[in-house]
Amino acid sequence: QKEVEQDPGPLSVPEGAIVSLNCTYSNSAFQYFMWYRQYSRKGPELLMYTYSSGNKEDGRFTAQVDKSSKYISLFIRDSQPSDSATYLCAMSADAGGTSYGKLTFGQGTILTVHP
Amino acid sequence: NAGVTQTPKFRVLKTGQSMTLLCAQDMNHEYMYWYRQDPGMGLRLIHYSVGEGTTAKGEVPDGYNVSRLKKQNFLLGLESAAPSQTSVYFCATKHIAGVNEQFFGPGTRLTVL
Repeated sequence: QKEVEQDPGPLSVPEGAIVSLNCTYSNSAFQYFMWYRQYSRKGPELLMYTYSSGNKEDGRFTAQVDKSSKYISLFIRDSQPSDSATYLCAMSADAGGTSYGKLTFGQGTILTVHP
Repeated sequence: NAGVTQTPKFRVLKTGQSMTLLCAQDMNHEYMYWYRQDPGMGLRLIHYSVGEGTTAKGEVPDGYNVSRLKKQNFLLGLESAAPSQTSVYFCATKHIAGVNEQFFGPGTRLTVL
């Protein structure tokens, strides 16, 4: 079983829809939770960053972390065609320290928002 | 600033050939990482470095070697390429402190025939 599980999709939604992306994990040591966005044939870029449990909002994007359930989510409101990309969840036990900031990624979800 | 660059962008190898992928950064970051990305597998860590002259194994290190002779460069070597190493390779960097954000290069698409 993978440490981080993410439904690879693909997910296709109409413009304006609310998108929900999710990951589950098994390692209780994870404290830092991230969502990266990767456009086709590009490198991933950090989209959202959360430490420990709770919610974080940035414009149309909301990240949620539930450490008790080992479950994280990314919500996209009023989705746009420009949101079409692969979304990767990533987690780490620390930002430096003994894990040296190493990230464990989910498989990535391919999202297409059609006009 | 160029950020993180990778050379080459594309490469086709025959089984058994060798090659070196170069990652260069001008962000003065201490940590550097090499990942491979395969369909349905996400990003998997191959090797990483926490400073000049240091390297360590990641999740999938077999068949690869690395070197970090200069802080700004991190090299990934394939001594005898195999078809199973067909993948997209990404380099990433991170500052030693602060937010746990990794900055990625544009990737190298490698095909081994």
